[in-house]
Formats: sequence, C-alpha cells, structure tokens
Amino acid sequence: GQNIDQPTEMTATEGAIVQINCTYQTSGFNGLFWYQQHAGEAPTFLSYNVLDGLEEKGRFSSFLSRSKGYSYLLLKELQMKDSASYLCAVRDQDYQLIWGAGTKLIIKP
Amino acid sequence: IAGITQAPTSQILAAGRRMTLRCTQDMRHNAMYWYRQDLGLGLRLIHYSNTAGTTGKGEVPDGYSVSRANTDDFPLTLASAVHSQTSVYFCAWSVDGTDTQYFGPGTRLTVL
Repeated sequence: GQNIDQPTEMTATEGAIVQINCTYQTSGFNGLFWYQQHAGEAPTFLSYNVLDGLEEKGRFSSFLSRSKGYSYLLLKELQMKDSASYLCAVRDQDYQLIWGAGTKLIIKP
Repeated sequence: IAGITQAPTSQILAAGRRMTLRCTQDMRHNAMYWYRQDLGLGLRLIHYSNTAGTTGKGEVPDGYSVSRANTDDFPLTLASAVHSQTSVYFCAWSVDGTDTQYFGPGTRLTVL
C-alpha cells in the first residue's frame, strides 16, 4: 500500500528553527509537495521537490532524498503565525496526490 | 491565488437527504478535484476531472458523484447522505493534471 508518515505534533520556540520530517512509500514518484494549513482554513502550497536536494524559499526550505523516501521541511526564524499544520504529499505514478495526516506545529513565545 | 469558490460554507444535513456541494473557478483551468479531510487522516481524493466532460474516481468515491459539464463548475453530489460523510470537503484546481493543486475555502458538512 501507499503510505506517508509524518509526526503528529511538534512544539518549537519563537525565533528558533524546526525540521518536520516526512517519509513515504508510494507506487512511483512524480514529486513531493508541502502545504501549510491554518486551523479552519484551506491548505496553501509551500514547496515542491522532484529532484534530490534542497529548495530554499525565504524562511522555508524543503529537502528531498528519493533513494531514502524522505523529505523534510525546515522553518527558520519561527514566528507565531507559523503555528499551523504542515502537510506532506507525494504524487504517485498515476499523478494522484497521496497525503500524510499532517504535522501540527505549535509555536511558543 | 484567487478564483475558486465553494458553497455552502457549512451545512447540517439529515441522513438520507440529497446534497450538492458547489465548486466554481473562473480561471478556466482544466483539472479539478474533490477531497475530504477528516481528523487524524490525510486528505483523501473523492473524484477528479482532468478536463471538461471527463471525470475519474479517487480513493474514496463511494456515495459521491460528480459532473463536469463545463470548465468552470465541478459539483459534488451526495445522493443519500450518511453520518460517515460528515467531513470538511475541499475543492481544488490545477492548470492540468500534472501541476500544483490549489484549494478552495472548503465546505464543512455535518450529517445527523
């Protein structure tokens, strides 16, 4: 079966750095996505990786290792507004997105 | 990214009733999707459409139907609602079936 694993919840301090991991087992691979979802709102697109390596976008970076079936989202200089759920999704061989359950990130002052 | 609307925002429905959730986009993008999101589970694809006139089944299609008569509209119908269909429903779009997906604001549905 297809599976995406990510931690259920993480806590970090304002101004710090946090890394949210995602491991996957899917039928084929056509890219990995990270989305942010604030409580009661829709998911919003953060990043996309299809090749191995690090993609940096401001305070957010996303890393991919296809051989290990592994990705992480790195958030730097955490702000209170970063409190949200972070969703990892993999596009499989049929170009369907397989979603993890999400990681709820709590930022403390 | 703007241009996709969902209606209603929320709805409480008696079991056995028929319900249509509406999704409309004004950007004329080809691909559209319906997901449901339940606590502790990832988003699950119900149905999708890669272009007007075509639809496909996702991971959890049972109890739901869709139509894509034109590019802009992609309604989701529950023919006879059941309690297990209580969920938050998101419509999404992408330029085509291989592109990034963007989500509408969602419909919170409660089936009593």
